[in-house]
Amino acid sequence: GAVVSQHPSWVICKSGTSVKIECRSLDFQATTMFWYRQFPKQSLMLMATSNEGSKATYEQGVEKDKFLINHASLTLSTLTVTSAHPEDSSFYICSNQDADREGNEQFFGPGTRLTVL
Amino acid sequence: QKEVEQDPGPLSVPEGAIVSLNCTYSNSAFQYFMWYRQYSRKGPELLMYTYSSGNKEDGRFTAQVDKSSKYISLFIRDSQPSDSATYLCAMSAWGATNKLIFGTGTLLAVQP
Repeated sequence: GAVVSQHPSWVICKSGTSVKIECRSLDFQATTMFWYRQFPKQSLMLMATSNEGSKATYEQGVEKDKFLINHASLTLSTLTVTSAHPEDSSFYICSNQDADREGNEQFFGPGTRLTVL
Repeated sequence: QKEVEQDPGPLSVPEGAIVSLNCTYSNSAFQYFMWYRQYSRKGPELLMYTYSSGNKEDGRFTAQVDKSSKYISLFIRDSQPSDSATYLCAMSAWGATNKLIFGTGTLLAVQP
């Protein structure tokens, strides 16, 4: 399977600050990257889909001005949580997809745990 | 009705047991079916990938897809305590948005 890294693995910040999370595809070119959030004991919730060089497509109910996504290259996508508040505390996970594969498998990063005080 | 239904468990079995995990779905356009394993506080790990109907085996794991019944299964033979995790089914239709639709996940505990 493909290797995906995320940085940082955890972050604690004060309310009102912005946090940037990086997602890297280490061994293949990810034409599409996805960002999910996961609350305790719940399943993954898709936030947005980004294709390299294009604007991200956000799911209904996800504020695009609050969750800024940049997918500038085939190996790097970033999610910036702007003006974070305690309710944004969650587990954020990215996944990558290789368009050369026939199937739609996604390969997930290890996740970033965000705690907003 | 959710597109994908999965019993959240928890499911507790003794070590060595055969585990059966299942999902049902409503969208007949789904053609790609996956099972992910997620340990606590970690990202999901792809376990099995199946296209259309049929069986696929990989070591102790067997994935089955029955498109006529809109039902997929994951079997784990000789279960080990290290198999204790949440198992998520996921599926998608061909092309289009490439999005995966996930089940809610089943929490499995294998008791030593």
